[in-house]
Amino acid sequence: DAKTTQPPSMDCAEGRAANLPCNHSTISGNEYVYWYRQIHSQGPQYIIHGLKNNETNEMASLIITEDRKSSTLILPHATLRDTAVYYCIVRVIAGGGADGLTFGKGTHLIIQP
Amino acid sequence: EPEVTQTPSHQVTQMGQEVILRCVPISNHLYFYWYRQILGQKVEFLVSFYNNEISEKSEIFDDQFSVERPDGSNFTLKIRSTKLEDSAMYFCASSVDSYTNNEQFFGPGTRLTVL
Repeated sequence: DAKTTQPPSMDCAEGRAANLPCNHSTISGNEYVYWYRQIHSQGPQYIIHGLKNNETNEMASLIITEDRKSSTLILPHATLRDTAVYYCIVRVIAGGGADGLTFGKGTHLIIQP
Repeated sequence: EPEVTQTPSHQVTQMGQEVILRCVPISNHLYFYWYRQILGQKVEFLVSFYNNEISEKSEIFDDQFSVERPDGSNFTLKIRSTKLEDSAMYFCASSVDSYTNNEQFFGPGTRLTVL
């Protein structure tokens, strides 16, 4: 799986949009960008994933650059409950095999009241 | 909403003892996983399990570890002869399949403390 680079920490004011960047310059054509988050001491939680088109769900939006070398996770209206470590993971969705996720250190997002 | 459950939430054991961590994956899921997170460190993949056999395992998953799905619902991680460095949070996860989304749903974790 391709390597990702994320800032170690970010602050965001409550109610504002939180934009979390991720660099994945060595991404391959068949690798997807996944985002998970881990609220303190809890199990990681899936947020969103995409291949090359921008994606949106009830939790967040994912913007992937045209060259796919970077992406941004957007939490449109951050709340205090969004304080967590956010992980950007690049991986192939493999048929016939149950691939484990490779977590990096992620970005510790702190939502300020 | 269906969720992955894990028991116990906290397990304390003496070094050299065997422990079994239990997980109940989401009922229609086919793939099962164990991860661990040593305090202050990254979440690390241990093993994945499909169709009653190990699908993939990491270097961490050595002969000290084993997994089993003893019945139709439970998925267990056994650690034989625990060591101090096995102290960690252990997370179970499950997914529907690996062909489409492969979103993994994680349980709340078991905190293992080896004394």
